[in-house]
Amino acid sequence: GAVVSQHPSWVICKSGTSVKIECRSLDFQATTMFWYRQFPKQSLMLMATSNEGSKATYEQGVEKDKFLINHASLTLSTLTVTSAHPEDSSFYICSARDLGLAGAYEQYFGPGTRLTVT
Amino acid sequence: RKEVEQDPGPFNVPEGATVAFNCTYSNSASQSFFWYRQDCRKEPKLLMSVYSSGNEDGRFTAQLNRASQYISLLIRDSKLSDSATYLCVVNKGAPARQLTFGSGTQLTVLP
Repeated sequence: GAVVSQHPSWVICKSGTSVKIECRSLDFQATTMFWYRQFPKQSLMLMATSNEGSKATYEQGVEKDKFLINHASLTLSTLTVTSAHPEDSSFYICSARDLGLAGAYEQYFGPGTRLTVT
Repeated sequence: RKEVEQDPGPFNVPEGATVAFNCTYSNSASQSFFWYRQDCRKEPKLLMSVYSSGNEDGRFTAQLNRASQYISLLIRDSKLSDSATYLCVVNKGAPARQLTFGSGTQLTVLP
């Protein structure tokens, strides 16, 4: 089955530093990957849609200069949280859609990255 | 109004019970519908897609009413391992096919 990995699975960093999170589709190609954020006891909120070879599309209220997204290949997208602050502490999850499944709506989720900013 | 609304629960039920979750969505142009399951501190995993004709997968039955913009999930003979948060998810359709998640309904199955 389709597998999506994320690295790191958890990270603790000091306020003001930047953190990079990687999302990889391991056994399929994905032109589109999605980045979500989930705060405790809340739902997943879409942050941005990452398209291979082009700029990401950010949801309203998400600062593109703070959450830098790069989708350099069909199997890798990265999210960099720049100058992280305690309020950025959250569970970040990526998902990917299989390019090979025409018309497919299903997304495959990575295991998530738990970020704690102290 | 939220795009996808669910009763947050929690639902605490005994093993073997039947439990039903409801969900409503606001965008009538939504294309496809899913139930995901999320365990604590884990990523969501697809439980089942939801079709207008209704569909069943073992102990799980999903129903969709497009006219009422209403989705349901029925779990029969609940097991301890069914304890999780159940997320109602709606797809907005082309071009991006983004998923919109409900806030989830928490289920605890008690021994």
